[in-house]
Amino acid sequence: KAGVTQTPRYLIKTRGQQVTLSCSPISGHRSVSWYQQTPGQGLQFLFEYFSETQRNKGNFPGRFSGRQFSNSRSEMNVSTLELGDSALYLCASSYYRAHEQYFGPGTRLTVT
Amino acid sequence: AQKITQTQPGMFVQEKEAVTLDCTYDTSDQSYGLFWYKQPSSGEMIFLIYQGSYDEQNATEGRYSLNFQKARKSANLVISASQLGDSAMYFCAMREPYNNNDMRFGAGTRLTVKP
Repeated sequence: KAGVTQTPRYLIKTRGQQVTLSCSPISGHRSVSWYQQTPGQGLQFLFEYFSETQRNKGNFPGRFSGRQFSNSRSEMNVSTLELGDSALYLCASSYYRAHEQYFGPGTRLTVT
Repeated sequence: AQKITQTQPGMFVQEKEAVTLDCTYDTSDQSYGLFWYKQPSSGEMIFLIYQGSYDEQNATEGRYSLNFQKARKSANLVISASQLGDSAMYFCAMREPYNNNDMRFGAGTRLTVKP
């Protein structure tokens, strides 16, 4: 079974731009969560999607948004990028909401 | 409030020896799940082991075991027979299905295995 895939793996953007990251979960997994990882703040939960509905959201500004498609693939969008948005963005999927999550390799975003 | 506490920023262990990574958690829920993940320098988070709050037996997965002490709210990871490839960051995490259900992570412990 293929693992969680994330595209792109690396991104360099300029302040003020917007970015869309993509995540394909493990086949059969219906829950997708997104996390931001930075050296200073560690791993922080962004949001969780299940059955195309956002079930839970972390403490991030509205510039961070996401969605899930009927095939469980998910995208997250960050608008009006700030330097502090530079981070590793990890996507994780699980079969059901309370189960263990399996992570993708991450997208490393650099904002200049 | 910090939900997951990992008090060891860094640990060293000799190859082939066992090591215990500490984790304490804070919850008032009866139902929760505890997880350990490994993150090598490549960045990918690798699921290691899971313990449910109602599980009476400590979870084991190969060389990994979870020392679950519910009354102390402790969920320490024990790695037996350490290998050089075990050098990585290790994160303890918790999910509370009836309270937001987001996965909360500790700050992590960097384990270095010495040859």
